[in-house]
Amino acid sequence: EAQVTQNPRYLITVTGKKLTVTCSQNMNHEYMSWYRQDPGLGLRQIYYSMNVEVTDKGDVPEGYKVSRKEKRNFPLILESPSPNQTSLYFCASSFLRGGEQFFGPGTRLTVL
Amino acid sequence: AQTVTQSQPEMSVQEAETVTLSCTYDTSESNYYLFWYKQPPSRQMILVIRQEAYKQQNATENRFSVNFQKAAKSFSLKISDSQLGDTAMYFCAFMENTGNQFYFGTGTSLTVIP
Repeated sequence: EAQVTQNPRYLITVTGKKLTVTCSQNMNHEYMSWYRQDPGLGLRQIYYSMNVEVTDKGDVPEGYKVSRKEKRNFPLILESPSPNQTSLYFCASSFLRGGEQFFGPGTRLTVL
Repeated sequence: AQTVTQSQPEMSVQEAETVTLSCTYDTSESNYYLFWYKQPPSRQMILVIRQEAYKQQNATENRFSVNFQKAAKSFSLKISDSQLGDTAMYFCAFMENTGNQFYFGTGTSLTVIP
């Protein structure tokens, strides 16, 4: 089944404890992206990647890191999480830039 | 920065009726992509419809259609014969052909009333 998977789906952590949210797609998509969703703000792009080893900042990159060592994986890293990073996170991928984006199921992160 | 504006935070419609959700965007480009995504209570993001700006014909997908007004930078979504399963948050989104960033609006929460 073609899909985007994210893990974990739910995470509660404490300020400053490094964490990684994994994202994987099995559709051989070039474009991958991370978003955070907050009430009243919609989805905002954190980082995106056009291909392996090619990543770039979106609108809200502060406090986040990403890597794209393999085409299928695009992990989101929070080196020192803070409470303002409490949010719902989505990973997405598309075959082409401008094409339909397929979204993962979301990761609900709470930073205490 | 590019912006996408959805001016209706909440809307409701009677089952079987028609409703239109509005979206405006800001760009100086001539070619770009526009999308409507649906997010039901399950939180899954689902593509409803996609439009390429260079195509003048409005996109349609079954009961969903758009009114794309390029000069006005408007991209409204019309849902005909509304069903209870249409209850969801709807997001308008935009991507320039020359850029790689994706921009979402703040969403419209639609409730279909039985």
